[in-house]
Amino acid sequence: DAGVIQSPRHEVTEMGQEVTLRCKPISGHDYLFWYRQTMMRGLELLIYFNNNVPIDDSGMPEDRFSAKMPNASFSTLKIQPSEPRDSAVYFCASRGPSEEQPQHFGDGTRLSIL
Amino acid sequence: RKEVEQDPGPFNVPEGATVAFNCTYSNSASQSFFWYRQDCRKEPKLLMSVYSSGNEDGRFTAQLNRASQYISLLIRDSKLSDSATYLCAVNTNAGKSTFGDGTTLTVKP
Repeated sequence: DAGVIQSPRHEVTEMGQEVTLRCKPISGHDYLFWYRQTMMRGLELLIYFNNNVPIDDSGMPEDRFSAKMPNASFSTLKIQPSEPRDSAVYFCASRGPSEEQPQHFGDGTRLSIL
Repeated sequence: RKEVEQDPGPFNVPEGATVAFNCTYSNSASQSFFWYRQDCRKEPKLLMSVYSSGNEDGRFTAQLNRASQYISLLIRDSKLSDSATYLCAVNTNAGKSTFGDGTTLTVKP
């Protein structure tokens, strides 16, 4: 089975540009999570969805960040406008319906904002 | 106070040593527990789930202490390839997982 698929793997762009990160969860997984990881702050949960509905977006840093999940097989995380402090690795993870199930992570997107 | 806390280390041990990591959690409603391994510049990968009665997978043993609200990971006969960062994760019935910041292990020859 394919795992969680993220794209792009790497993104380098100039500040002020719009950045869109994409995620395809594992088929059949009801939960989808977006994380950001930096050396300073560790792994931070930004937002998560259950059955395509955002459940908790309290981790989204500010209004420049938005996330959507238009269907069960696709989600986007958008940053507009981007800033250098947004540089990080962004992970998407998905999980089945039970709390006893672990999350499975994608390879991540390494984002650098110049 | 963080919901999930880990000793960041680093732990530097020789090959063959036994090393143990602890992870404490603050939410008593937490239901499921996991250990992940993360290699440098890679994604976290599930190492093992942690069951109430404790569980073992080869050289790895995980234990849960609900009364004291901590989980532990024991690695026996450590190998060079065990060098990584180990993160604990806690699921609540609200659906989300909370991760610790990770403990870095370096196994040296």
